[in-house]
Amino acid sequence: KNEVEQSPQNLTAQEGEFITINCSYSVGISALHWLQQHPGGGIVSLFMLSSGKKKHGRLIATINIQEKHSSLHITASHPRDSAVYICAVRNSGGSNYKLTFGKGTLLTVNP
Amino acid sequence: SQTIHQWPATLVQPVGSPLSLECTVEGTSNPNLYWYRQAAGRGLQLLFYSVGIGQISSEVPQNLSASRPQDRQFILSSKKLLLSDSGFYLCASSGQGYSPLHFGNGTRLTVT
Repeated sequence: KNEVEQSPQNLTAQEGEFITINCSYSVGISALHWLQQHPGGGIVSLFMLSSGKKKHGRLIATINIQEKHSSLHITASHPRDSAVYICAVRNSGGSNYKLTFGKGTLLTVNP
Repeated sequence: SQTIHQWPATLVQPVGSPLSLECTVEGTSNPNLYWYRQAAGRGLQLLFYSVGIGQISSEVPQNLSASRPQDRQFILSSKKLLLSDSGFYLCASSGQGYSPLHFGNGTRLTVT
């Protein structure tokens, strides 16, 4: 079982819809990252979280440390949001240089 | 702010040829550096990480190697490429613990 599980694997939405992508992890972490990978391949860091909630524009990320769960929300989705969204966790403790990645969620937003 | 330069962007190499991919980091010092590979339709696989000059740890046995000759330079190499080495290679950097991640734009390698 992967230490980081994302759901759904694929998501298709209509423009304007509210999107939620989920990430569950099984290890102790010092940080959780949400990343966005566009079709060209480049990866952009969206959020880094250790607790609570962060908001940037139409994107909101939340994390529940006790439940080992994080969600990425996109409000008023737009076709330009189409990308692969990846959850990654940085282990706490002695191996905190290592990151464990989820397999990603492919989001397609149709006009 | 931190910037990662990675080149080349695309590369087509024959089987058995050597490889050298270079990554340089600006805007920080003593970063943790990483090489990842992403095969088509797959997630990110950690190949190597480095916590300092000359310090390289390998995660996956393979015919690739990495070196860190300077604090902000990370090089991925191979003496003889295999078909299975094809993929998308990403260089990344971060600080310790609770620290942002930064990625280069990646190199798409096709071994023919």
